[in-house]
Amino acid sequence: DTEVTQTPKHLVMGMTNKKSLKCEQHMGHRAMYWYKQKAKKPPELMFVYSYEKLSINESVPSRFSPECPNSSLLNLHLHALQPEDSALYLCASNTPPGQTTQTNEKLFFGSGTQLSVL
Amino acid sequence: EDKVVQSPLSLVVHEGDTVTLNCSYEVTNFRSLLWYKQEKKAPTFLFMLTSSGIEKKSGRLSSILDKKELFSILNITATQTGDSAVYLCAAQIIQGAQKLVFGQGTRLTINP
Repeated sequence: DTEVTQTPKHLVMGMTNKKSLKCEQHMGHRAMYWYKQKAKKPPELMFVYSYEKLSINESVPSRFSPECPNSSLLNLHLHALQPEDSALYLCASNTPPGQTTQTNEKLFFGSGTQLSVL
Repeated sequence: EDKVVQSPLSLVVHEGDTVTLNCSYEVTNFRSLLWYKQEKKAPTFLFMLTSSGIEKKSGRLSSILDKKELFSILNITATQTGDSAVYLCAAQIIQGAQKLVFGQGTRLTINP
């Protein structure tokens, strides 16, 4: 299994809603990531979890709340979002650096959740 | 500030042509340079380059890294319409944990 699975694939929510994005991998990876990608722009890093601990938060607003319940799962809880938060949210995973050969550090991406905030 | 710059931003060629995509980087704690292809949603991995001057090949695609001049190129020979995509270059850096700093991408269109 070399997949990162994200659900839902599409999500439409109002500014007062609370929703969650889910990400799952069964490759034994111990680092998981959330990226945000606006149309025609590159992915931008939001959060990094390494061994289930939050290791990087790229100054993301608190209306985005990540959670890593175990080594296979990564959630992104959404609350009181703004229309400008509409984007493709990508999850990725890999083996943390130094734990394997360097070529195994490449990031595997999920297909993303296309989020629209009305 | 860590920066990755790709050129050109957009390229339109005919099927069968050869293309060269460029990526320059200026980052701290550099570890490797990665190339991804993004067609619709998930970026798919193409190459990871860690050593200077060693070409990596996969079919019609090849890539090389120059760590002295801080750039990489991605070559695609005998292009096909299926090569149409956005090609992303990313510098892997270590900042407590691993980060990928992406360039803006090159949108490649192959016309039949």
